[in-house]
Amino acid sequence: EIVLTQSPGTLSLSPGERATLSCRASQSVSSSYLAWYQQKPGQAPRLLIYGASSRATGIPDRFSGSGSGTDFTLTISRLEPEDFAVYYCQQYGNSLWTFGQGTKVEIK
Amino acid sequence: QVQLVQSGAEVKKPGASVKVSCKASGYTFTTYGISWVRQAPGQGLEWMGWISGNNANTNYAQKLQGRVTMTTDTSTSTAYMELRSLTSDDTAVYYCARSRSGSYSGTWGQGTLVTVSS
Repeated sequence: EIVLTQSPGTLSLSPGERATLSCRASQSVSSSYLAWYQQKPGQAPRLLIYGASSRATGIPDRFSGSGSGTDFTLTISRLEPEDFAVYYCQQYGNSLWTFGQGTKVEIK
Repeated sequence: QVQLVQSGAEVKKPGASVKVSCKASGYTFTTYGISWVRQAPGQGLEWMGWISGNNANTNYAQKLQGRVTMTTDTSTSTAYMELRSLTSDDTAVYYCARSRSGSYSGTWGQGTLVTVSS
């Protein structure tokens, strides 16, 4: 089973700042089967990025994903008030899912 | 629009079973599978398994093998997840999510809170 480790656990930033979230896999993620989700309290996860770098429908272009193999990054270019939330990476290869433990982006 | 609507909150005693439903609309049910994910209070996301829309294939998380059964009813476009021998560790919000085998999900249900308490 591929283990995903996200860092940092918490990111304290101000609106307008750039956020860089990391997701490291214990082994190579095949065909970049890596997604990112945003989750706000009391809500279901929302798909942001799939295939490591493709934005899901309706996702603003301030969200971008990059990486391959074992190292992946989610970047939010300029934080908007609605972006403060928990972010999870997910690998979906080999017909099973695993999630990272999450990174909380909080208002500084 | 594509939508998944889950059944309501449940309270169960330790040792009991729970069955959560997930009704799909807005797409051809048999062309996608359903994944189930749970989230314990204050914790992260845990994948439980996947079932094909036509009920032909399942893939369960090893941790839950023998305790979980996922089924679908194509006549009502509804997926079900049954979890048996409940303990307090099974207290969580349970989500269904539309997905193909080996793929991500852009559509999730609203979640069902299952509380296990004596």
